[in-house]
Amino acid sequence: DAMVIQNPRYQVTQFGKPVTLSCSQTLNHNVMYWYQQKSSQAPKLLFHYYDKDFNNEADTPDNFQSRRPNTSFCFLDIRSPGLGDAAMYLCATSRGAGDEQFFGPGTRLTVL
Amino acid sequence: AQRVTQPEKLLSVFKGAPVELKCNYSYSGSPELFWYVQYSRQRLQLLLRHISRESIKGFTADLNKGETSFHLKKPFAQEEDSAMYYCALWSNYQLIWGAGTKLIIKP
Repeated sequence: DAMVIQNPRYQVTQFGKPVTLSCSQTLNHNVMYWYQQKSSQAPKLLFHYYDKDFNNEADTPDNFQSRRPNTSFCFLDIRSPGLGDAAMYLCATSRGAGDEQFFGPGTRLTVL
Repeated sequence: AQRVTQPEKLLSVFKGAPVELKCNYSYSGSPELFWYVQYSRQRLQLLLRHISRESIKGFTADLNKGETSFHLKKPFAQEEDSAMYYCALWSNYQLIWGAGTKLIIKP
């Protein structure tokens, strides 16, 4: 099945230790998104890519970076995770702007 | 500013009863509105969007521009409808999300 895959599903890191989360898609969608979702809250958009064009949300901390080396893959790098960065990180894709977003299962990040 | 409001954090109804999940929006122009759903231990997924005018799993949502609402309705709730429901507005190349409503269907 075509889908959005996130690895790992669970990630534990130490305070200040860099971590990379990955997302891949087999849908060949142009747009990819990274969201942060904390418990009982709505997803919060961190970045999105329209093809190779990177769009950073104004309130996304500098601690968060992203890479999209090709259409299929997208990475979220957290350079120095703090306790407040513990959350579920969701990757999503869409064919184009305003189209249905297809979500991955998420990566739950724990920061010790 | 664009905003989506879901006034109920939690809604609990009995199986077979009607369900209405409220969503109000603030937007200048013609809105594109969506309902996304997250079932327990499953990924977030689209339930319906207003331009498709479809009924999915018995749910419908009508855009009311006068009341700036996009409430989600189902005439007879089923236990499998228990989930987290998010209303979202497409604006400035992103989705503006409501806070979500947790729907619990009691047997």
